[in-house]
Amino acid sequence: NAGVTQTPKFQVLKTGQSMTLQCAQDMNHNSMYWYRQDPGMGLRLIYYSASEGTTDKGEVPNGYNVSRLNKREFSLRLESAAPSQTSVYFCASSEREGTKNIQYFGAGTRLSVL
Amino acid sequence: GQQLNQSPQSMFIQEGEDVSMNCTSSSIFNTWLWYKQDPGEGPVLLIALYKAGELTSNGRLTAQFGITRKDSFLNISASIPSDVGIYFCAGQASGTYKYIFGTGTRLKVLA
Repeated sequence: NAGVTQTPKFQVLKTGQSMTLQCAQDMNHNSMYWYRQDPGMGLRLIYYSASEGTTDKGEVPNGYNVSRLNKREFSLRLESAAPSQTSVYFCASSEREGTKNIQYFGAGTRLSVL
Repeated sequence: GQQLNQSPQSMFIQEGEDVSMNCTSSSIFNTWLWYKQDPGEGPVLLIALYKAGELTSNGRLTAQFGITRKDSFLNISASIPSDVGIYFCAGQASGTYKYIFGTGTRLKVLA
């Protein structure tokens, strides 16, 4: 049981390049999330998908797009990377059980934009 | 964007000491989660809290859901070197799928 798997683990881009960060979960969770983590800023929500077929903007969506490909997969795309998007990106998934809704995180993708 | 106030930002303690950290919010939450993040890894859930006043333990860790529903506390007793890492709180309001995260408490344990 792998949980939440993110690929790649590391990536270096030049300004203006595009790339897609992949995320897959094997816990049959309905909800998936993308965060970025910057020093001293904690985790900030980029986009989330409450269920298959829906996506919504989070706190910092500018410069990103997402696709909920199916229940398992939720990808994050940078169309034209900028140095300000240098960060560590985390994917998470969750399933609401009554009042309980715990998020489980992947190991992260470390992205540098030069 | 909205973030929780988490304190302290960092702390250095001697092995064996107890540790306390807290999170406060201007909003009422229905759920509080506490995570630990090791270097190069994603956050790992430590404790989940669902009711005001709830006190929950996980080994040497104890967390409380504040009565006002606007704060939460995490205590670590008898710290050991492997407690080193960043601890995050996260709160979720009723009717939303989103969590708001604190800025983290960086813990360093001196042997």
